[in-house]
Amino acid sequence: SAVISQKPSRDICQRGTSLTIQCQVDSQVTMMFWYRQQPGQSLTLIATANQGSEATYESGFVIDKFPISRPNLTFSTLTVSNMSPEDSSIYLCSVEVSGGLFFGSGTQLSVL
Amino acid sequence: GQNIDQPTEMTATEGAIVQINCTYQTSGFNGLFWYQQHAGEAPTFLSYNVLDGLEEKGRFSSFLSRSKGYSYLLLKELQMKDSASYLCAVRGTNTGGFKTIFGAGTRLFVKA
Repeated sequence: SAVISQKPSRDICQRGTSLTIQCQVDSQVTMMFWYRQQPGQSLTLIATANQGSEATYESGFVIDKFPISRPNLTFSTLTVSNMSPEDSSIYLCSVEVSGGLFFGSGTQLSVL
Repeated sequence: GQNIDQPTEMTATEGAIVQINCTYQTSGFNGLFWYQQHAGEAPTFLSYNVLDGLEEKGRFSSFLSRSKGYSYLLLKELQMKDSASYLCAVRGTNTGGFKTIFGAGTRLFVKA
């Protein structure tokens, strides 16, 4: 498995502002993933973040709204830009290690 | 594209056995995950099946049939703490690697 540290664990933000979520892994991993889990829903993949290349976004998600950085093999950030109440959700980073997909503890975001 | 179906809710009795089914349609299948998620927590990895057959881990077992696009998670000797959502997720190909897509989840209620 992997130890994944994600912060902040929760935040309350004002509409129109941006929040950057950080994800730190205790080992080097090629692929990191960012998911969103809206209230009462399952997980939806936002994008795949590979070190040294642009992130690959899923349908319905764009780089201007969710810019991602992947500066090295142990760290990534996801920014939620120009937030609206519809962005209130849990955001999770995950990594693949030895045939398993493991998650950070998540960031609970509330937008007022 | 990918499509993953699993029942929305199930109820079972403490001490009993419950089977949660998952059917999927995908291109570039590379494995199937099962996760447990308690309310307010990140998903916890339970199993990963790549080949056909049954894999057992204590009280939990997972089965895969690739030709039928079918998997199930079997929980034995149910305990109250097993009340949670169970997520089926399929690993498929993506640009430059793999990505994992989640089903909507099955909410399991264990009653005394």
